[in-house]
Formats: sequence, structure tokens, C-alpha cells
Amino acid sequence: EPEVTQTPSHQVTQMGQEVILRCVPISNHLYFYWYRQILGQKVEFLVSFYNNEISEKSEIFDDQFSVERPDGSNFTLKIRSTKLEDSAMYFCASTVRTGDYGYTFGSGTRLTVV
Amino acid sequence: RKEVEQDPGPFNVPEGATVAFNCTYSNSASQSFFWYRQDCRKEPKLLMSVYSSGNEDGRFTAQLNRASQYISLLIRDSKLSDSATYLCVVWRQGGKLIFGQGTELSVKP
Repeated sequence: EPEVTQTPSHQVTQMGQEVILRCVPISNHLYFYWYRQILGQKVEFLVSFYNNEISEKSEIFDDQFSVERPDGSNFTLKIRSTKLEDSAMYFCASTVRTGDYGYTFGSGTRLTVV
Repeated sequence: RKEVEQDPGPFNVPEGATVAFNCTYSNSASQSFFWYRQDCRKEPKLLMSVYSSGNEDGRFTAQLNRASQYISLLIRDSKLSDSATYLCVVWRQGGKLIFGQGTELSVKP
């Protein structure tokens, strides 16, 4: 079964450092997403990406965040200057079409900011 | 008001029990509905889509009532392996998946 691959599985970083979280969506999927889940809280939408541009972003996705699909297979989330409150599980997801079709999530990157 | 609200948990049930989860959503423009399952510290996995006519997948039955903006999930003959957090999720046109906070289920021998 095709899967969404995320690397690294766990990253520890110093506050103020830049981090890049990487995702390889399923190859024929067209819509890509980043979600995050702070420990003990619900899964929250960050950003959606379609046709090489952001289609929607949440209020969490401020100027410190950016996404890129540099080479047609990878989909990255960059956090420019990490804060303690960025510590969370970050999930990448993709889908072949939106609507009644569920998304496939990657296994996540656990980001710990110290 | 939260866009998707679920029963607070946890639910602790014996093996073989029937358990029902309830969910309400506030945005009437929501168009698609799902139940996802999340194991501890893992990614959400699609359990089933939910249709107005109701749908069943083995021991799992999902119902949708658009008029009252209510979604349910029934698990019959629960197994130890059903222990997880169940996430009610909605989608609306031009939007994204919106998750409820989840209801934790623990099935005991």
C-alpha cells in the first residue's frame, strides 16, 4: 500500500534555530497538507498546497513558517526560528482529490524545541 | 464554539461490548465526514467515511444526520485491538479536514 514518508521521525533543536521537516507524498496525489498536534491536544491544520502554491493557511502558519515542493516529489515545512511552543508532532498528508476522499497521513516528525 | 465536538472520554469497556461515539459539527457548509483512528503518538488513519444513508464496515457502523449536524460511530463486539482514540473529522468545499479533539477508547479483557 502506498504511503506518505516523513523524515526525520524525531528532531531536537535549540530555540531560535531553523528546522526543515521533509515529506514524500504518495506519487499520484495532487493535494498536500501539513498538520500539527501538540501533546494531548487535537490535530490542527497548518497549510494546504496545490498546483505549486499555498491554497490555504491557518493563523498558526505565520511568517516563521514556509512550505516548498522543490523537485516534484518532496514537500517540506520550514520553521525559520523555532520557539518552545513549536514543540509538537508534525504530520504531512496527501490526497488524490479533495472532498469525500480521505487523506493519507505520514507517520509524523516529533519536533522538540529546547 | 468548537467546529467539531466529540464526547469527552475516556470510554473504558470490556471486550465484546458495544460502544457508541457521538460528534457534532457547527458549520452547515461541511460536506464530507470521516472517522479516523489514532493510536498513541501515531498518525491518524482513516477508519471510514460517513454517508447520509449510513454505512457499515464489519463491526463498525457510521451514521450522519445533516439536519442536526450529528455524526455517530458504533463499534460492536469490541476487541482489545480497538483501543485507540477515535477522531471525528469534517471537510468543507475549498477547505481542509477539521478534527475533533478525539474520544479515547480502552477495551479491557
